[in-house]
Amino acid sequence: GENVEQHPSTLSVQEGDSAVIKCTYSDSASNYFPWYKQELGKRPQLIIDIRSNVGEKKDQRIAVTLNKTAKHFSLHITETQPEDSAVYFCAASEGDYKLSFGAGTTVTVRA
Amino acid sequence: EAQVTQNPRYLITVTGKKLTVTCSQNMNHEYMSWYRQDPGLGLRQIYYSMNVEVTDKGDVPEGYKVSRKEKRNFPLILESPSPNQTSLYFCASSLGAADTQYFGPGTRLTVL
Repeated sequence: GENVEQHPSTLSVQEGDSAVIKCTYSDSASNYFPWYKQELGKRPQLIIDIRSNVGEKKDQRIAVTLNKTAKHFSLHITETQPEDSAVYFCAASEGDYKLSFGAGTTVTVRA
Repeated sequence: EAQVTQNPRYLITVTGKKLTVTCSQNMNHEYMSWYRQDPGLGLRQIYYSMNVEVTDKGDVPEGYKVSRKEKRNFPLILESPSPNQTSLYFCASSLGAADTQYFGPGTRLTVL
């Protein structure tokens, strides 16, 4: 089955700096790559996603890039703010059946 | 209001006492799934269902059962809970696996 690895497990950044989280996946058939944000004590919520026919997608301060050849994708957060502090999960979908998540990255934005 | 609900939100039980965690969605979604969240392990899929009467194992199905008799409900059953099933459980629904997952509020389960 699909194996998704996520790095780093923790990330501390100064407010205003950028944060980058990287994920690799094992199944070349995976074609959907979402990112979820989970604030403390809350449920995960989708922040951005990308499909395999697209190399990059942006939404205001967040962007996701996908390299299908290398089987990795990354989340980029620019101009970080305190409200960006949360746990971020990447995931990969095996066709339209299963969704496999990474282990998560705890992001702390220092004021 | 579009939502996914889970009950109970918190449960403390003892080893071997059967329990059911309910999940319900009002968005007419075909796809529903259960995840457990443990520190350092992320979200691991337990079971998923692509439609009524269609369920399949996720990555960690051992010790769990599910059923999908109605489109809106997808209960998680622990026939004989053990301490290693102590975890935070999330139900989610979506149009499909490759679509936005809408998570329920979570159920914190402790098995003594």
